[in-house]
Amino acid sequence: DIQMTQSPSPLSASVGDRVTITCRASQSISRYLNWYQHKIGKAPRLLIYAASSLQSGVPSRFSGSGSGTNFTLTISSLQPEDVATYYCQQSYSTPLFGPGTKVDIK
Amino acid sequence: EVQLVESGGGLVQPGGSLRLSCAASGFSVSSNSMSWVRQAPGKGPEWVSLIYSGGATYYTDSVKGRFTISRHDSKNTLYLQMNSLRGEDTAVYYCARVGDSSVSYAMDVWGQGTTVIVSS
Repeated sequence: DIQMTQSPSPLSASVGDRVTITCRASQSISRYLNWYQHKIGKAPRLLIYAASSLQSGVPSRFSGSGSGTNFTLTISSLQPEDVATYYCQQSYSTPLFGPGTKVDIK
Repeated sequence: EVQLVESGGGLVQPGGSLRLSCAASGFSVSSNSMSWVRQAPGKGPEWVSLIYSGGATYYTDSVKGRFTISRHDSKNTLYLQMNSLRGEDTAVYYCARVGDSSVSYAMDVWGQGTTVIVSS
């Protein structure tokens, strides 16, 4: 079975900082990797699909990269409204989410 | 507006049953693949079940034989029948639309969730 890991967690940064979250798969998943933002009490929100494609309506400060087993989600300039937990999810086989990275403001 | 609204959660005793509903608007449940995802307290999301537009169904191992995913096309509603509930089934349950290969089968529309608590 494919395993997913994420780092770091948690992550604390200042407003305006560039933030990078890493997601690793235990075997190659090509580019079948998606990123979600989840705020407490709200529905999860798709940010990035297919490793690097920005979902419609998502601010351009969010970007994704990677393929195979290593992936990153980058927030180019952290904003207060970005406080949330971020999850990667592989869709190469049975859907599986990573453990999450909780992001807050320093 | 594309929207999903879950209902049916609640407090149930171990061994009991619940049926969750997910009403869709703005798109057709029958023309899309749909999933149930749950999140237990303090844990990350866990995929539970999937129904393809063609009708094939899949389940995570821990719920096989206990949970059944289905849909009612004319009501445009997705269901999750949960039987023989256990404490470890306690979670917020979300329904989500699963996109096709063009979006890497990502879950692009989510409901707000419904809470299931299994406790005596």
